[in-house]
Formats: sequence, C-alpha cells, structure tokens
Amino acid sequence: EPEVTQTPSHQVTQMGQEVILRCVPISNHLYFYWYRQILGQKVEFLVSFYNNEISEKSEIFDDQFSVERPDGSNFTLKIRSTKLEDSAMYFCASRRVGQPQHFGDGTRLSIL
Amino acid sequence: KNEVEQSPQNLTAQEGEFITINCSYSVGISALHWLQQHPGGGIVSLFMLSSGKKKHGRLIATINIQEKHSSLHITASHPRDSAVYICAVRNFGNEKLTFGTGTRLTIIP
Repeated sequence: EPEVTQTPSHQVTQMGQEVILRCVPISNHLYFYWYRQILGQKVEFLVSFYNNEISEKSEIFDDQFSVERPDGSNFTLKIRSTKLEDSAMYFCASRRVGQPQHFGDGTRLSIL
Repeated sequence: KNEVEQSPQNLTAQEGEFITINCSYSVGISALHWLQQHPGGGIVSLFMLSSGKKKHGRLIATINIQEKHSSLHITASHPRDSAVYICAVRNFGNEKLTFGTGTRLTIIP
C-alpha cells in the first residue's frame, strides 16, 4: 500500500539554524498537510496546501515557517531560524478528495 | 473554535475485554477522524466519519451528530491494540483537523 514518506526520521539542529523537513506524499493525492506534536501534548495543525498554494494555516505557522512543493513529488517544511520551542515531532499528511488523510511516520526535530 | 474532549485519558484492560473510547466536540463538523498512534510515534488513520457507524475488523466507530459525540469500540481486545487513540474533527469549510488529547490504551495479556 502506498505510504507517505518523511525524511529524516530524526533531525538535530542548533538554535538559530534553518531546517528543512521533507515529505513525499502519496502520488495521486492533491491535499497536503503539516502537523506538529510537542512531547506529551496533542497534535496541532500547522498548514494545508492545495493547488500549489497554502489553503489554510494556523497561528503557529508564522513568518519563520514556509512550505514548498518544489518538484511535484516532494513537499517540504522549512523553519528559517529555529527556536528551542520548535522541538517536536512533525507529521506530514496527504489525501485525495473525500478520503481520510494518510500520515507519515514523522520527523523528530530536536533543537539544541 | 472546536473543543475536542476525549475520555478516558488512560484505560487499562484485560485481553478479550470490550473497549469503548469516547469523543465529544463543541461545534458542528464536516467529519470526525479516529487515529491510532503507536509508541514509535507514527499515526495511522482508522476511520473517517460524518454520520452513522463504520466497522473494520474488530473496530467499530459511531457518531451522533445531534449530540456531538463519537465512540470507538474495540471488540475482543488484544495486546497489540495497545496504543494512543486520537479523535480529530474537521469543521465545515476548513481543512485543518483539531485533535483531542488522546486516550492511552493498554491491553494486558
């Protein structure tokens, strides 16, 4: 069964550095999402992406964050200047019209 | 803003027991999701519901739109069902999912 693939599984970065989290959604899916889960807390929506543009974003998704679908297969989340509080598990998801979202296994981001 | 509440927060049961996890929300929705999160962290979608009832194997999900309430049932529970079960809702006209805090289920052999 096709899967959403996320890389890397664990990223360790110094505070203030830029980080790019990568996702390969399922190939015939049209809607793409990023979520984060701070350790011990609930999953939070960051952003949704459809038709090559952001369709919705949360208050968390400020100017430090950006998303891109550079080549028709990858879907990336960039954090420009990381803070300690960005440490979390980041999940990518994708779906087709009318179908549930499929989640990747997540990238654990640790900011030092 | 939709408030999603799950109960119980933690549930420990013996293998074979019938399990019920509850979810309630505050604002009318277009869809409700039940998700499973294993200790490694990965999330698997179990059900997407907008009305009625769905069944997949030993799992059953129901939703009552008028009461803004959904339940996830597991029949003949097994230790491999041990995981965190998360309810998430999508409001009308939104793409975002709003998540509950999850129910940690432990099934003892």
